Amino acid sequence: EDQVTQSPEALRLQEGESSSLNCSYTVSGLRGLFWYRQDPGKGPEFLFTLYSAGEEKEKERLKATLTKKESFLHITAPKPEDSATYLCAVQEGGRDDKIIFGKGTRLHILP
Amino acid sequence: GAGVSQSPSNKVTEKGKDVELRCDPISGHTALYWYRQSLGQGLEFLIYFQGNSAPDKSGLPSDRFSAERTGGSVSTLTIQRTQQEDSAVYLCASSLTSNYGYTFGSGTRLTVV
Repeated sequence: EDQVTQSPEALRLQEGESSSLNCSYTVSGLRGLFWYRQDPGKGPEFLFTLYSAGEEKEKERLKATLTKKESFLHITAPKPEDSATYLCAVQEGGRDDKIIFGKGTRLHILP
Repeated sequence: GAGVSQSPSNKVTEKGKDVELRCDPISGHTALYWYRQSLGQGLEFLIYFQGNSAPDKSGLPSDRFSAERTGGSVSTLTIQRTQQEDSAVYLCASSLTSNYGYTFGSGTRLTVV
């Protein structure tokens, strides 16, 4: 069973059409939940870290929220340059060694 | 340097040959990670270094894979007797501490023919 599940796998939106990406997780004792953006041919770029349920963080058109079982990445009035793969990752409590990534959501914003 | 540097950016090798991939982390970052990303797959954790030591090597796919880090800085990932299933993008990341956001390099695209 995957510990981090992202949905949808792919999403096509018109420019300006707001939506949300979902990340559900099943690790015990969440230490941190991370969102990354990955463009083709590049490494993931760090966006946010969330540590506790109820926490929210914003950056430009993106807002990340966290509950006890899932996180949402809300994208408001997206632009074509927001097109990328968005990756969610979690770090389990008591573990220093790694963060576990989901398979990502491929987001395509049509002009 | 300003970011995580990986070399080479692309490597094509013949099946059975050994390859070395290099990662130069951000100066001062004590934590270093290797991940592998195959087409259409998520990032697969390989190994983590805190300083020069790797507490857990269980993520390495087989005993053909090894990694080392010297001087708390540069790390090399070595794959011996490469196989076609080793073809992937190998990503390195570094972090100030183990629970801080990682900074990734652009990766090494390995193709085994």
